[in-house]
Amino acid sequence: KQEVTQIPAALSVPEGENLVLNCSFTDSAIYNLQWFRQDPGKGLTSLLLIQSSQREQTSGRLNASLDKSSGRSTLYIAASQPGDSATYLCAVDRRDSNYQLIWGAGTKLIIKP
Amino acid sequence: NAGVTQTPKFRVLKTGQSMTLLCAQDMNHEYMYWYRQDPGMGLRLIHYSVGEGTTAKGEVPDGYNVSRLKKQNFLLGLESAAPSQTSVYFCASSRDGNYGYTFGSGTRLTVV
Repeated sequence: KQEVTQIPAALSVPEGENLVLNCSFTDSAIYNLQWFRQDPGKGLTSLLLIQSSQREQTSGRLNASLDKSSGRSTLYIAASQPGDSATYLCAVDRRDSNYQLIWGAGTKLIIKP
Repeated sequence: NAGVTQTPKFRVLKTGQSMTLLCAQDMNHEYMYWYRQDPGMGLRLIHYSVGEGTTAKGEVPDGYNVSRLKKQNFLLGLESAAPSQTSVYFCASSRDGNYGYTFGSGTRLTVV
């Protein structure tokens, strides 16, 4: 059974720092992995999607990497800003018959001005 | 603005009451999903639909029913609400399966 874990559950860092969020999964047979952002009282916003054949994806200050063999993905945020404060979730796509993404519980990130 | 709209945003129910959550999307997406989000847990799929007139069970379907009579709408029903159904419910849609999700802003449901 695929399980997705995000550690730590919460992280607080000063503005301007570079930081890494972690996502681990137990079954390496994945189709893709996605990172989402969730702001309080709002829905989720898709940030990056990494196909199983890729090693990383970049969008602006965000860089996501994927290492299937070790069951890990990281989301790197460069030069963090208070506006980056949110909960970040990762989800694994097994591409099985019921279209079900397997989600981590998220890391709540607070960027202190 | 294009996107996914959920109504209502908040609701308090008494145990045993029924209600319907409405999800509407205007992006002509084929796939629609209902998730619940509970503290300390990842999102869990309740039901999903791969097109108008189709529905299927997800990971936690018990106590819920759904309908997709029109392509743009996906309704989630609770026939007899229980305190265990207290949660935040999210609707999402996608063009082609698990890629390119668009989420609604959520419905916070409390069952007392």
